[in-house]
Amino acid sequence: EIFLTQSPGTLALSPGDRATLSCWASQSLSGRYLAWYQQKGGQPPTLLIYGGSTRAPGLPDRFNGSGSGTDFTLTINSLDPGDFATYYCLQYEESPRTFGQGTTLEI
Amino acid sequence: QITLKESGPTLVKPTETLKLTCSVSGVSLTTRGVGVGWIRQPPGKALEFVALIYWDDDERYTPSLQTRLAITKDTSRDEVVLTMTNVDPLDTAKYFCTHVNVVTPIPFDVWGPGILVTVSS
Repeated sequence: EIFLTQSPGTLALSPGDRATLSCWASQSLSGRYLAWYQQKGGQPPTLLIYGGSTRAPGLPDRFNGSGSGTDFTLTINSLDPGDFATYYCLQYEESPRTFGQGTTLEI
Repeated sequence: QITLKESGPTLVKPTETLKLTCSVSGVSLTTRGVGVGWIRQPPGKALEFVALIYWDDDERYTPSLQTRLAITKDTSRDEVVLTMTNVDPLDTAKYFCTHVNVVTPIPFDVWGPGILVTVSS
């Protein structure tokens, strides 16, 4: 089972700032099968990035995914008030699929 | 447009069996590559993968729950059913069903609204 560790647990920033969220995998994701999700409150998560760096349709280009191997990053430029939420990474390279523990982006 | 919706009991007693249904529309459960998965989220905690079934009936489970789980699909009703036996208060969570297509391959891209299940006597 591949374990994902997200850092930091909580990130306090202001609108207009840049956010950098990290996700480390316990094994290399050679196929870059790494995705990022945004979740607000009890709502279902929204897919942001898949394949490590491909944006979901309609996602603003302020959101960028990068990385390979075991180290992946989600960068959000010029934070909008609507971006303050919890973000999860997901690996779907191996079964079982696993999520990180989340990073909460707060004002 | 693909939509999913979860249904089932919102309160179950410890040791009982939980059965949740995911009703799927906008995609056939027999289309190559299509899968439907269950993800859960205990209150205030992180997302946890539970189970997944593919178009070809391949089933996948999270190891820690595998002995208590069964996932099936009914293609005539466009439904995926998750059965969990011997539930415990630690199984209290919001349960989401979600769509995946391994051909694209885009991971869980469409989600149902979720159903909050409480395990309590």
